[in-house]
Amino acid sequence: QKEVEQNSGPLSVPEGAIASLNCTYSDRVSQSFFWYRQYSGKSPELIMSIYSNGDKEDGRFTAQLNKASQYVSLLIRDSQPSDSATYLCAVLILTGGGNKLTFGTGTQLKVEL
Amino acid sequence: DADVTQTPRNRITKTGKRIMLECSQTKGHDRMYWYRQDPGLGLRLIYYSFDVKDINKGEISDGYSVSRQAQAKFSLSLESAIPNQTALYFCATSDSTGTGMGETQYFGPGTRLLVL
Repeated sequence: QKEVEQNSGPLSVPEGAIASLNCTYSDRVSQSFFWYRQYSGKSPELIMSIYSNGDKEDGRFTAQLNKASQYVSLLIRDSQPSDSATYLCAVLILTGGGNKLTFGTGTQLKVEL
Repeated sequence: DADVTQTPRNRITKTGKRIMLECSQTKGHDRMYWYRQDPGLGLRLIYYSFDVKDINKGEISDGYSVSRQAQAKFSLSLESAIPNQTALYFCATSDSTGTGMGETQYFGPGTRLLVL
């Protein structure tokens, strides 16, 4: 089982719709969770971080965390063509050598006009 | 100016050549990382360093070495490049407090490497 799993997509949504991106993780003691956006050929950029169960909202983005079910999701409201990118879920996993940020393979989102 | 810079941005080399990728940061972070990204495989950690005297192997360190010359500089070397090291390489930094919270990583622009 992969430590962090995401559906590779592509996930296609019409402009103005809500895009829902999901991520599951295997390490029950993980405490920190991140969503990064990566445009093709560019570097990942942080969108959201979440540490507690529940929802965290920032503009059009909402991160949702459920530690009991070991999943974290990202909702994008009023999706725009500029949101078309690959979204990487990252989970901070505690190891004997220190904390390690582990990334999923990413979900490609396409927002269609 | 960018906070995390990488040089070169693109590099073509031949099998067996030694090459070095460099990373510099002005964020004042102690922790630095090297990742490679391949289609369908996501970001994979090569090496990381929590301070100047600390170097740790990541999940795919074979064929690579690193040097942490200063807090702000972290270099990745391919001693004898091979074609399956063709990938997009990213340097990242973080300011973790070490408590497990807030491990936000900031990425450089990437180096696209092609090994022929």
